[in-house]
Amino acid sequence: EAGVTQSPTHLIKTRGQQVTLRCSPISGHTSVYWYQQALGLGLQFLLWYDEGEERNRGNFPPRFSGRQFPNYSSELNVNALELEDSALYLCASSLGQGDDEQFFGPGTRLTVL
Amino acid sequence: DQQVKQNSPSLSVQEGRISILNCDYTNSMFDYFLWYKKYPAEGPTFLISISSIKDKNEDGRFTVFLNKSAKHLSLHIVPSQPGDSAVYFCAASFRYGGSQGNLIFGKGTKLSVKP
Repeated sequence: EAGVTQSPTHLIKTRGQQVTLRCSPISGHTSVYWYQQALGLGLQFLLWYDEGEERNRGNFPPRFSGRQFPNYSSELNVNALELEDSALYLCASSLGQGDDEQFFGPGTRLTVL
Repeated sequence: DQQVKQNSPSLSVQEGRISILNCDYTNSMFDYFLWYKKYPAEGPTFLISISSIKDKNEDGRFTVFLNKSAKHLSLHIVPSQPGDSAVYFCAASFRYGGSQGNLIFGKGTKLSVKP
């Protein structure tokens, strides 16, 4: 069974640009979560989607947004990139609402210059 | 304010010995705790979990202990193997009390198991 997949693996952008990251959950999983792991920090919760709806968001500015599609895949959009947005962005999925055994993808490494 | 703390950034143990990774939390409303392992260039992998109604959960070489009064949990790996070398994250959630979906993670402890 395929795990959580993310694309792209690496991305380099400049300040002020916009970026879209993509995630495909494990088949049968309806919840998708996004986390940011900046250098030296733990994983910081960004967004939780379930059944196409945003269920919760972390303490991040509105320029971080996303959506979940009918096939449960998800996109994370970051507008007006700042240097401190450089981080590993991890997507996770789980079976249902708040099912806490979350399965993670390999992440997208975003570098903002 | 960090709700989940892993105060040791790194730990080095000899192969075959016990590895003990520690985690402290501040919110007594957490009711579910998890450990994840992360290798470089990979996403975190779920290892083991424990609910707040238990004080111990075992899975093969991995045992998690929970001390609610001290708001402390630990992960024991016995015996440690070189392949266990990775970063270990402790995470907590409000699973039974009304999940908000997100896990709250510590900053991780880098375990090195030397042959």
